[in-house]
Amino acid sequence: DVKVTQSSRYLVKRTGEKVFLECVQDMDHENMFWYRQDPGLGLRLIYFSYDVKMKEKGDIPEGYSVSREKKERFSLILESASTNQTSMYLCASGVLGSGTRDEQFFGPGTRLTVL
Amino acid sequence: AQTVTQSQPEMSVQEAETVTLSCTYDTSENNYYLFWYKQPPSRQMILVIRQEAYKQQNATENRFSVNFQKAAKSFSLKISDSQLGDTAMYFCAFMKQPGNQFYFGTGTSLTVIP
Repeated sequence: DVKVTQSSRYLVKRTGEKVFLECVQDMDHENMFWYRQDPGLGLRLIYFSYDVKMKEKGDIPEGYSVSREKKERFSLILESASTNQTSMYLCASGVLGSGTRDEQFFGPGTRLTVL
Repeated sequence: AQTVTQSQPEMSVQEAETVTLSCTYDTSENNYYLFWYKQPPSRQMILVIRQEAYKQQNATENRFSVNFQKAAKSFSLKISDSQLGDTAMYFCAFMKQPGNQFYFGTGTSLTVIP
């Protein structure tokens, strides 16, 4: 089974802190994604990566950056956390463009609170 | 740009009954996939069912089936014989083919009542 893990289930940070959210997948997927999930807004794509050291902005990249130094690991960075970044963050990975195997596999999520 | 709309924020169904969740989407693409994902309370999101746009036959997975109307850009999920474990948030998603970006709806929270 595909496994996507995230470094923390719950995280509390102070305004202005630098925050790292880590995601690791064990299925050698090329594509990895970071979403934030907010009530009434669904999942919104922050960034995605289709290869090591490659990244693409999603719909809401402002205030975030990402890093992908190894194929299995995709990090989301909040350079200076703000209260409006309090949210659930979901990481996903997938082998997309393959046809019938196209799907995204999700991690358990990190609930981040910024005080 | 692609948009996915789920117009039912919350729904409930009696155990063993059937419920249908609605999803509409807007796209100018001809080749794409549609998905329903399930997110149980405090648990990981998992894929429920997938539909390829080029297939006319509606996808089914055990108690879950879809009604795919390509011309109407509608993709509803039917859950038969609802079980307590079906209580979850359900998200409809679109992906153009080829591509690697998903577009999600805002979700429908389904509660199965014993």
